Amino acid sequence: GEDVEQSLFLSVREGDSSVINCTYTDSSSTYLYWYKQEPGAGLQLLTYIFSNMDMKQDQRLTVLLNKKDKHLSLRIADTQTGDSAIYFCAETLNTGGFKTIFGAGTRLFVKA
Amino acid sequence: AAGVIQSPRHLIKEKRETATLKCYPIPRHDTVYWYQQGPGQDPQFLISFYEKMQSDKGSIPDRFSAQQFSDYHSELNMSSLELGDSALYFCASSLGLAGDSGELFFGEGSRLTVL
Repeated sequence: GEDVEQSLFLSVREGDSSVINCTYTDSSSTYLYWYKQEPGAGLQLLTYIFSNMDMKQDQRLTVLLNKKDKHLSLRIADTQTGDSAIYFCAETLNTGGFKTIFGAGTRLFVKA
Repeated sequence: AAGVIQSPRHLIKEKRETATLKCYPIPRHDTVYWYQQGPGQDPQFLISFYEKMQSDKGSIPDRFSAQQFSDYHSELNMSSLELGDSALYFCASSLGLAGDSGELFFGEGSRLTVL
């Protein structure tokens, strides 16, 4: 079935690294995404990874994909208070058409 | 750079009324997706269109309909509104189906409040 799971909360100190984890169930995923949503705002695409890759790095962000375990993680280096937001993991499924399924979101709290 | 434009940003309706939300994709994007995000919830996929044809369908109620026009903008029509329809409605666009390009960009959302 189609399911994306994330832990709901993560709290880190400013300057530390944050690691947000996500697991998905559908092996037909083509792309996997990380979106950031600040209160009352829209979804900001942070980064994405194609399902045949295992790592992608973009400045402070590192995405790791373990396709065998269907596990995706987002590491934010040197976490800042401005990184406080909800982070959604999402996967795009090839269902004949394409649709993107979201996890419940992980709320990241950054303490100064 | 131009982003996905949604209008209106805020809309207040009463029960049983109708509402129409509009989405203008990023220029040259030919695929549009609609999502509904209830309070404290993750975005739920409603429906998508590729080249003006319905591409995929999710949890869209029968009271809702949508279409994509020749200029690739899309409209989501909601009738017989219920209190539970109050949510943030996101539109996203991509070049080709998202499986081709990998990039799915979201608008800021239209917040619908049903009283």
